[in-house]
Amino acid sequence: RKEVEQDPGPFNVPEGATVAFNCTYSNSASQSFFWYRQDCRKEPKLLMSVYSSGNEDGRFTAQLNRASQYISLLIRDSKLSDSATYLCVVRGNNNDMRFGAGTRLTVKP
Amino acid sequence: GAGVSQSPSNKVTEKGKDVELRCDPISGHTALYWYRQSLGQGLEFLIYFQGNSAPDKSGLPSDRFSAERTGGSVSTLTIQRTQQEDSAVYLCASSLLAGAELFFGEGSRLTVL
Repeated sequence: RKEVEQDPGPFNVPEGATVAFNCTYSNSASQSFFWYRQDCRKEPKLLMSVYSSGNEDGRFTAQLNRASQYISLLIRDSKLSDSATYLCVVRGNNNDMRFGAGTRLTVKP
Repeated sequence: GAGVSQSPSNKVTEKGKDVELRCDPISGHTALYWYRQSLGQGLEFLIYFQGNSAPDKSGLPSDRFSAERTGGSVSTLTIQRTQQEDSAVYLCASSLLAGAELFFGEGSRLTVL
């Protein structure tokens, strides 16, 4: 079983749609959780950290369920510029940072 | 610049040759990570350095792969006797502290013929 698993998609949604991505992790001792965004042929960049109580940044909401070892990212009112691959990242108790395979999102006019 | 710098940006080599990839992290960042990304795939963890601690080599796919970090700064990833399946983009990232935000370089694209 992979340490971090994501639905690869692709998700094709119209502008203005709400879309949600899920991620599961296998190591119950994992310390921190993040969502990164990677544009085509570019390096990944931090989108947001995921806090235990859930957190929101504009149109983006991240949630963590430690009991189920599950992380989610919700994007509301999708924009064309949201088209990218979204990577779930988990920090282990050794401070190693493990990435999921990513979920590809395409927002269409 | 102030970002993570990787070189070469592109490397084409023949099967069986050795290659060295270099990463110059952001000044003052104590943690340095190497990942490999094949076309259309996610990031595969290779190795992680934190300060002067022994590196976490658990992700290196074979003993042909090795990495070092000299003086807590620049890192070199070496692949010996390259194989075609080694073809990928090798990404380096640094962070101020272990587990903090990762800042990536633009990667080194390796093609093994």
